Amino acid sequence: QVQLVESGGGLVKPGGSLRLSCAASGFTFTDHYMSWVRQAPGKGLEWISYISSSSSPIYYADSVKGRFTVSRDNAKRSLYLQMNSLRAEDTAVYYCTREDYYYASGRWGQGTLVTVSS
Amino acid sequence: QSALTQPPSASGSPGQSVTISCTGTSSDVGGYNYVSWYQQHPGKAPKLMIYEVNKRPSGVPDRFSGSKSGSTASLTVSGLQAEDEADYYCSSYADSNKLLFGGGTKLTVL
Repeated sequence: QVQLVESGGGLVKPGGSLRLSCAASGFTFTDHYMSWVRQAPGKGLEWISYISSSSSPIYYADSVKGRFTVSRDNAKRSLYLQMNSLRAEDTAVYYCTREDYYYASGRWGQGTLVTVSS
Repeated sequence: QSALTQPPSASGSPGQSVTISCTGTSSDVGGYNYVSWYQQHPGKAPKLMIYEVNKRPSGVPDRFSGSKSGSTASLTVSGLQAEDEADYYCSSYADSNKLLFGGGTKLTVL
């Protein structure tokens, strides 16, 4: 069955870095754009980035552009999110998603919590 | 770009219909037919309910329907059931390859 499993979340200090991973299984990874979406505690959803199946193009939300980098390794069926210069407002559950239709995420991982605090 | 505008709450009794709105601009909802709706139960990941304004993924009951008029999209849930109580989010493609979400609507089944 289709699975998206995020890992790498945790507690990090402001200004620090963290790398999230998303392991995909149960489908042809190269057939899909992939996205990252986050949700701050008790708040709504916020789109972060999406990456094409070939890793170009890649698009980012203005709130993370220049600080976050998305990549994928199709051979490893994995998606990554490198987060630098982290701020308190980056505290959120980060979801890896599979784009099943144009700009619509049909599959979501369980999420991984990132907490930015001193 | 700002988030799309949704009412914070909506409610209805079992069997009734309820409609949730999602208002944007000509740069997002009004300019493209790439509006989606997601259902999220507490502590769970969101689930896609509607894509491309009015299309349902396989497995989503036909009680859920979507529409759009100008820069406002709508999700209608007919024949409300207890399990429909959840948070609902709209999203839309926006200019310059962005994706915007609404602030979310908490649907209560009375």
